[in-house]
Amino acid sequence: AQSVTQPDIHITVSEGASLELRCNYSYGATPYLFWYVQSPGQGLQLLLKYFSGDTLVQGIKGFEAEFKRSQSSFNLRKPSVHWSDAAEYFCAVGFYYGGSQGNLIFGKGTKLSVKP
Amino acid sequence: EAGVTQFPSHSVIEKGQTVTLRCDPISGHDNLYWYRRVMGKEIKFLLHFVKESKQDESGMPNNRFLAERTGGTYSTLKVQPAELEDSGVYFCASSQEALGGYTFGSGTRLTVV
Repeated sequence: AQSVTQPDIHITVSEGASLELRCNYSYGATPYLFWYVQSPGQGLQLLLKYFSGDTLVQGIKGFEAEFKRSQSSFNLRKPSVHWSDAAEYFCAVGFYYGGSQGNLIFGKGTKLSVKP
Repeated sequence: EAGVTQFPSHSVIEKGQTVTLRCDPISGHDNLYWYRRVMGKEIKFLLHFVKESKQDESGMPNNRFLAERTGGTYSTLKVQPAELEDSGVYFCASSQEALGGYTFGSGTRLTVV
């Protein structure tokens, strides 16, 4: 069965430090991969997505993610974290069928805290 | 462009009561999805509309949940009768492009007491 694993439930980093959030997936075919962020009181915002092509994907807010097929991973990175990045981050794998985008399977999320 | 709107933002109801959640997708988006996050668990897919038709409702937990999308515009998700385990945050999302990613609403936090 398809699944997404985010092994870190909660991460704390200092402002200005680099960040890497881990995501591993289990899926039989080439996946469509996403990272979403949820700030307190907000909906889920799409940070970036990978469908094909270049395995290093740039997103909004200075985030990037790298798709590694051999490791079934899609880790999210940011070189320098800002206090406003404190939020919960979700990795998801998506399906595409019949000409439309199907459902997403989400990981459990990683809550990021930022120390001043 | 207005985003995906959900209301109410919060709802507290007693076990056995009925609650109806509403989602207004981005205008022109044919695809509308419902998801749910129960406390401490993953966000899970409930169902997918393409216009007014249910494309996939494999995630609906049981027949106490009824989703509609009359006219292919807004959608409602009714829970009747509500049980304690229905508590959680219900998200709606919409998309138009086949691989464009979704736009999510802010969610409705449902508490059943």
